[in-house]
Amino acid sequence: AQTVTQSQPEMSVQEAETVTLSCTYDTSESDYYLFWYKQPPSRQMILVIRQEAYKQQNATENRFSVNFQKAAKSFSLKISDSQLGDAAMYFCAYRSGGGSEKLVFGKGTKLTVNP
Amino acid sequence: GAGVSQSPRYKVAKRGQDVALRCDPISGHVSLFWYQQALGQGPEFLTYFQNEAQLDKSGLPSDRFFAERPEGSVSTLKIQRTQQEDSAVYLCASSLGLTMGRDVQYFGPGTRLTVL
Repeated sequence: AQTVTQSQPEMSVQEAETVTLSCTYDTSESDYYLFWYKQPPSRQMILVIRQEAYKQQNATENRFSVNFQKAAKSFSLKISDSQLGDAAMYFCAYRSGGGSEKLVFGKGTKLTVNP
Repeated sequence: GAGVSQSPRYKVAKRGQDVALRCDPISGHVSLFWYQQALGQGPEFLTYFQNEAQLDKSGLPSDRFFAERPEGSVSTLKIQRTQQEDSAVYLCASSLGLTMGRDVQYFGPGTRLTVL
């Protein structure tokens, strides 16, 4: 079974600075997808960024980018120019390329943005 | 509707009671998912549907948990004889399906279940 590990329970960053959240995963599959989801306090979980494993190019969405290292099974999220609204729980998730559409989540990283 | 909605938002049940949690997915979304999120943890998969077919129920923790989506739209998660360990937030998500780029899951606000 696939597992996702987020080794940083909490992180903090100064407003306007850059922060990187770590995620590693374990799988024997070659075809899969990786996601970062954001869950603000008392609000719905929303997608931040999505990466296909077969693509070598790292996904980017505005201030959010990933560093996808397939051989190392690592998928970190970089947030540039951090804003107060970025404060939230961030979850890394894995989806198999075949079979079930379910997501396997890590335990999350709580990000605090200091003014 | 504009997004995934869930009701009730909060539910308090006495141990042994049955509860039913409802999910209204985004209109036209083929796939519907249920996850359980314990306090301070990431969501854990329970079950999912493609239209009305339940394709994977491997995450349901016991036979007290039952989910249905009879007409391929609204879904209900039922928990019978609730126990304290069932206390969690139950998240529903929907997606357009597996077609390339359409697999993003959109989440509802969740139902927080507290079993006393």
